Amino acid sequence: DSGVTQTPKHLITATGQRVTLRCSPRSGDLSVYWYQQSLDQGLQFLIQYYNGEERAKGNILERFSAQQFPDLHSELNLSSLELGDSALYFCASSVGTGGTNEKLFFGSGTQLSVL
Amino acid sequence: AQTVTQSQPEMSVQEAETVTLSCTYDTSESDYYLFWYKQPPSRQMILVIRQEAYKQQNATENRFSVNFQKAAKSFSLKISDSQLGDAAMYFCAYRSRFTGANSKLTFGKGITLSVRP
Repeated sequence: DSGVTQTPKHLITATGQRVTLRCSPRSGDLSVYWYQQSLDQGLQFLIQYYNGEERAKGNILERFSAQQFPDLHSELNLSSLELGDSALYFCASSVGTGGTNEKLFFGSGTQLSVL
Repeated sequence: AQTVTQSQPEMSVQEAETVTLSCTYDTSESDYYLFWYKQPPSRQMILVIRQEAYKQQNATENRFSVNFQKAAKSFSLKISDSQLGDAAMYFCAYRSRFTGANSKLTFGKGITLSVRP
């Protein structure tokens, strides 16, 4: 168990809908990262938050947004869903923002199916 | 931008034998980290081994070792005495080490390893 909790584990929805994925980082970790894993794109970095503030942005669509709350949990919001958004969404956490000895700890992911 | 390439989509190994998974990467940076992650059917991403680019010595973790060739930008994973539990998808990943850089990982496409009993 990595200590990173993601809910829900599975999500099935329809095109055009909006969903929210939730991530609770390990106790003491201030950074949260979101990754998308799909068959065609592989594992892609979406966005990073550190202590409530956006730190880095990757290949995140404008239809997607995220935030990190004061209790450090994070939510990834996906709107106007398309079939191609079907993927496994991972959350990871780390203590800081990229120190030399930092390790990332991954959650078990949320499998999103858009029908 | 950095890229990570895993050109073999699948490999198979006999239980108790040794297998090597290949990875190449491209970067203009001189200091960075390289990783191998394992993703079993449970989907959990598990860190297998890590290599610092400034270290010449290849990292080892029990049955797992790497062959890091910095000049060739090659980073292969060797699994010795393969076990059925090693069957999984394996991802090679890169992360910059420069101060101020975020901990973003750049992943390869992954390779599916099957272990034959």
